Amino acid sequence: QVQLQESGPGQVKPSETLSLNCLVSGYSISSGYHWGWIRQPPGKGLEWIGTAYRTGSPYYNPSLKTRVTMSVDTSKNQFSLELTSVTAADTAVYYCVRDLGKWSSLFDPWGQGTLVTVSS
Amino acid sequence: QSVLTQSPSTSGTPGQRVTISCSGGSFNIGSNYVYWYQQLPGMAPRLLIYRNDERPSGVPDRFSGSKSGTSASLAISGLRSEDEGDYYCAAWDDSLTGPVFGGGTKLTVL
Repeated sequence: QVQLQESGPGQVKPSETLSLNCLVSGYSISSGYHWGWIRQPPGKGLEWIGTAYRTGSPYYNPSLKTRVTMSVDTSKNQFSLELTSVTAADTAVYYCVRDLGKWSSLFDPWGQGTLVTVSS
Repeated sequence: QSVLTQSPSTSGTPGQRVTISCSGGSFNIGSNYVYWYQQLPGMAPRLLIYRNDERPSGVPDRFSGSKSGTSASLAISGLRSEDEGDYYCAAWDDSLTGPVFGGGTKLTVL
């Protein structure tokens, strides 16, 4: 059974960088699939952030593209997210997901999510 | 403002059949598969329907999906109290070059 677990600071100061990791268990990232991040501001809907693959370039939501970096570490079987210059608008629950890839919106499974609050 | 449009809320009584709609355009629903996600209170979303009308293993056949043109629907029959939660549609958008979500529909079981 594939499981994903997010980890990282629960609070980040404005203008700083948000960094999260997602540890994958029950499946080897080297075997395939894409790996993505989705966020949900409190009381609001879902927003796709970006998707990465073990090889090749990640692709990002155009609205976040200038601030997002994603990478995959097959040696640790985990992938990561960095979001720079954060503001209060970046406060959200961040989910990591297994992603079928381009031209798909199939995200399964999801991590339990981690709340990141942007506040000084 | 979400790219895909969903009604904010809907409700039904136990045993009833409810339908949740999702409206998009030619660049998303009109040319790509639709997916549905269920988010129960306090939980992470889970995949409910993929490729318009396919159910992952473990999803009851009370849930069904359909698509016509630039719109899609999720139907829930035999409504149960544990179905109460938020439902999101999603589709790849060729213009934005990425997946987009609907704003979500909150289902209340009366």
